[in-house]
Amino acid sequence: ETGVTQSPTHLIKTRGQQVTLRCSSQSGHNTVSWYQQALGQGPQFIFQYYREEENGRGNFPPRFSGLQFPNYSSELNVNALELDDSALYLCASSLGGGGDYGYTFGSGTRLTVV
Amino acid sequence: AQSVTQLGSHVSVSEGALVLLRCNYSSSVPPYLFWYVQYPNQGLQLLLKYTTGATLVKGINGFEAEFKKSETSFHLTKPSAHMSDAAEYFCAVRPAPGDKLIFGTGTRLQVFP
Repeated sequence: ETGVTQSPTHLIKTRGQQVTLRCSSQSGHNTVSWYQQALGQGPQFIFQYYREEENGRGNFPPRFSGLQFPNYSSELNVNALELDDSALYLCASSLGGGGDYGYTFGSGTRLTVV
Repeated sequence: AQSVTQLGSHVSVSEGALVLLRCNYSSSVPPYLFWYVQYPNQGLQLLLKYTTGATLVKGINGFEAEFKKSETSFHLTKPSAHMSDAAEYFCAVRPAPGDKLIFGTGTRLQVFP
């Protein structure tokens, strides 16, 4: 079975720009969660999608938005980028909205905002 | 609010020595508990998890952790460190089904020859 794939692996953007990060979930998984990991910190929950609907959100502003597609892949969009948005963005997939079966993480997208 | 505390941002051990990484959590209900490992420039890999049942959980690469409800702890141990164990380790809690994962700030493990 394939794991979680994220693209791109690295990205450099300018403050004020918009960015889209992509995630392909593990085969058979219908839930995708996104996390932001700043340098030297643990991952922070952004939001989760289950069957194409957002079913949980962390303490992030509305300029962080997402989508989940019928094949359960997902996008994370960030508008009006700020310097503090520089981080590793991790996608995790699971089976079932509650993640009772465990989470599989991708290798992440490292975003640098200059 | 639920939280996770990892004592010691850096731990150094000699190859072959015992590894002990500490994790304490706060939760009003019995949580699900996880340990993840992160190698440089990589994502998170699940080492082990506690959901219900036996409080001593065995994971991959020789690691194990014990859930102690009375101490609200879930410390990670390995009897004999290997050079390949050098990485960042994260403890995480999921307070209730359907909740998000809450991570600690991580512990960087260094292994010296």
